[in-house]
Amino acid sequence: QQQVKQSPQSLIVQKGGISIINCAYENTAFDYFPWYQQFPGKGPALLIAIRPDVSEKKEGRFTISFNKSAKQFSLHIMDSQPGDSATYFCAATPYSGGGADGLTFGKGTHLIIQP
Amino acid sequence: NAGVTQTPKFRVLKTGQSMTLLCAQDMNHEYMYWYRQDPGMGLRLIHYSVGEGTTAKGEVPDGYNVSRLKKQNFLLGLESAAPSQTSVYFCASRTRLAGAQETQYFGPGTRLLVL
Repeated sequence: QQQVKQSPQSLIVQKGGISIINCAYENTAFDYFPWYQQFPGKGPALLIAIRPDVSEKKEGRFTISFNKSAKQFSLHIMDSQPGDSATYFCAATPYSGGGADGLTFGKGTHLIIQP
Repeated sequence: NAGVTQTPKFRVLKTGQSMTLLCAQDMNHEYMYWYRQDPGMGLRLIHYSVGEGTTAKGEVPDGYNVSRLKKQNFLLGLESAAPSQTSVYFCASRTRLAGAQETQYFGPGTRLLVL
């Protein structure tokens, strides 16, 4: 049972365009939703994260939009640059109460920004 | 401050051989995790630990054992390697403090090939 569904699997965007990656979750206990960026041969690195008490969070060119009722969240990369080419993973976990639960990841999106 | 380090970086095993992957963190984090990453599957949690001497199963624990004898180290063992365990293994750690410290920090990964 896949608890976090991510789409698309791959995405090609022109330099300067907007990259959009979508995720949907099933477990209503999830209350922390991070996005990780991974370059080839490297470990995932936290990009941006959101809690369900807000509908949007922006950090530089990266924005998370969150729809609690639809159980969906998305990553928008504005003014996409070739250096943004990487694999992006959405994830979710129930962090309330200081629990140690691990992250449940989506299957990843391979993003290519064409110059 | 090295963050999370993993040893070895790459290993080739024959079916039935055993090995131990080492994860070390210097951030004084209480929680540590082992994930495996397979193409098109995202990252899946194998085992995790909330402190010295304590471990718990994740989503895909079969065929693996773990130990946390010291707070800074988390070992992942394969007693009898199988080709299905060919994967990239990532270790992660995080503080148990809630709030802004919820980030899991990942190591660079260990690439394992079982023939």
